[in-house]
Amino acid sequence: DTEVTQTPKHLVMGMTNKKSLKCEQHMGHRAMYWYKQKAKKPPELMFVYSYEKLSINESVPSRFSPECPNSSLLNLHLHALQPEDSALYLCASSQERQGQGYNEQFFGPGTRLTVL
Amino acid sequence: DAKTTQPPSMDCAEGRAANLPCNHSTISGNEYVYWYRQIHSQGPQYIIHGLKNNETNEMASLIITEDRKSSTLILPHATLRDTAVYYCIVRANSGYALNFGKGTSLLVTP
Repeated sequence: DTEVTQTPKHLVMGMTNKKSLKCEQHMGHRAMYWYKQKAKKPPELMFVYSYEKLSINESVPSRFSPECPNSSLLNLHLHALQPEDSALYLCASSQERQGQGYNEQFFGPGTRLTVL
Repeated sequence: DAKTTQPPSMDCAEGRAANLPCNHSTISGNEYVYWYRQIHSQGPQYIIHGLKNNETNEMASLIITEDRKSSTLILPHATLRDTAVYYCIVRANSGYALNFGKGTSLLVTP
């Protein structure tokens, strides 16, 4: 299985809602990532988990809260978002080499988020 | 990580070779050249990477100049499904982040 799955595909939420994005992979990868992609822009890294521990937080606002419950799952909890947070949220995973990242990242199809 | 420069857009006729250039004049000795592509409304897809030598896989070939300051991704027989944004990324094989630049939007036409 060389696939990264993400649910839901689309999400519309109000600014007072709480929602979660889910990501799953069964490739045995120990590094998992969240990226944000605005329209017509390249993906931007948000978070990196390595061996289920948060390794990188690219100064993301606290209204985005990542969680890695086990080596196959990655969640992104959303609360009190703003309309400018509307974007495609991409999950990725990669092999881990003893504390070093490995750059062949496998991406999921993304969740298209709209904040009203 | 070294900065890359790519043309914003390119066209290619179906069945012909698509040659996508990338300049990375500030590349360091331990930095690799990676190529990803993103088809519309999908997640990015890894294509190929290399350090010094030319590389080939089932998707593409990567030609790196001897001074390593530029490279070319070659899709030997482009199809309509190769229409995508192609990202050239230069970085050391440590750390985690992929710093996507603006990429090249390749349009393959019938």
